[in-house]
Amino acid sequence: NAGVTQTPKFQVLKTGQSMTLQCAQDMNHNSMYWYRQDPGMGLRLIYYSASEGTTDKGEVPNGYNVSRLNKREFSLRLESAAPSQTSVYFCASEPSHLIAEAFFGQGTRLTVV
Amino acid sequence: AQSVTQLGSHVSVSEGALVLLRCNYSSSVPPYLFWYVQYPNQGLQLLLKYTTGATLVKGINGFEAEFKKSETSFHLTKPSAHMSDAAEYFCAVGGGSTLGRLYFGRGTQLTVWP
Repeated sequence: NAGVTQTPKFQVLKTGQSMTLQCAQDMNHNSMYWYRQDPGMGLRLIYYSASEGTTDKGEVPNGYNVSRLNKREFSLRLESAAPSQTSVYFCASEPSHLIAEAFFGQGTRLTVV
Repeated sequence: AQSVTQLGSHVSVSEGALVLLRCNYSSSVPPYLFWYVQYPNQGLQLLLKYTTGATLVKGINGFEAEFKKSETSFHLTKPSAHMSDAAEYFCAVGGGSTLGRLYFGRGTQLTVWP
């Protein structure tokens, strides 16, 4: 059982480049989340999708866009990468936004130079 | 508004000693509280959670935590540390209409000495 799968695991971008981080879950969960982790900052919510067809901003949405492609997939897009977006990105999913048990992917380590 | 404060960014204990990781929260709604563990280069794994009911909750790997509303605390304990417990631990609070929208503390790195 794969759980939550993120691709790629590592990425280096130049300032101004764009890219999409992919996330897929095979647990039939309704809710999905994107967090970023920075040293000494814990995890901060970027965007979330409480259910298929809906997305909402979290704490730090600036510079990002998301797409809930279907129930399984939730992608995060950086349109014009900046060095401040260097971080580790985690995708998570949950049975529903009313059931408090998030499952996390392994993370994508992104460096913007 | 919801927030979490973890006291101590680094905690060191000897193997076999008590582990105590501190977490205080603020929440404008009845809180749901969580402890997650992160091993190097891995994602987060849920250790335990408090939603409703019994205030002492037991989790995996011998960890437990007690919800104390009067102290707005949710400290994590383990009676006897093991080398394999060395990791980073995150406390998180959720609640309200979107429970999965978690607010995390800054994390506590636990080192276990032989």
